[in-house]
Amino acid sequence: GAVVSQHPSRVICKSGTSVKIECRSLDFQATTMFWYRQFPKQSLMLMATSNEGSKATYEQGVEKDKFLINHASLTLSTLTVTSAHPEDSSFYICSASRGSVSSYEQYFGPGTRLTVT
Amino acid sequence: QQPVQSPQAVILREGEDAVINCSSSKALYSVHWYRQKHGEAPVFLMILLKGGEQKGHEKISASFNEKKQQSSLYLTASQLSYSGTYFCGTEGRGQGGSEKLVFGKGTKLTVNP
Repeated sequence: GAVVSQHPSRVICKSGTSVKIECRSLDFQATTMFWYRQFPKQSLMLMATSNEGSKATYEQGVEKDKFLINHASLTLSTLTVTSAHPEDSSFYICSASRGSVSSYEQYFGPGTRLTVT
Repeated sequence: QQPVQSPQAVILREGEDAVINCSSSKALYSVHWYRQKHGEAPVFLMILLKGGEQKGHEKISASFNEKKQQSSLYLTASQLSYSGTYFCGTEGRGQGGSEKLVFGKGTKLTVNP
């Protein structure tokens, strides 16, 4: 299967600071990348869909000014959590797909555990 | 829009079989299956696209019924490595009409020696 990397794997930051998470597809060009958030023992909740060169599409209830997504190339997408607060602490996972969501599998990065103190 | 998975949890002894179901109220274009181990990202298992399709992957296989409203994941002669949470994913529409994958709530499978 394809490889998607995510960095950092863990980050602890103070309340009010910003954190950037990188997601890279290492061996294929991803037409679309996705950002998910997962709380303990819960399912994956899509935050936003990111296409290279265009603005990300955010899901209802996700603040676009707080969770900034930049999709600089077909292999790199970044998520910046701005002015982080303790309630933003969570497991953030990115995924990448070669084609349409329905027909192609998503390859997930290893995830980033964010803790805001 | 979220598919319904059952059971929520299952505990097996090594070598036993399990079935995990995923259902929707409407016909689906496809069903995806993923497994996630604790603290790790989900790993793709398989995707089913056709009604009546059955697909296998070693001792893990899946089916998609004719009406394309239900899929089942079969784990036979379970191994310790099968432990994890299994999610099915089905297509949905996000804001602005963009395609997205909607995941079920997951089925936690525990295989004991």
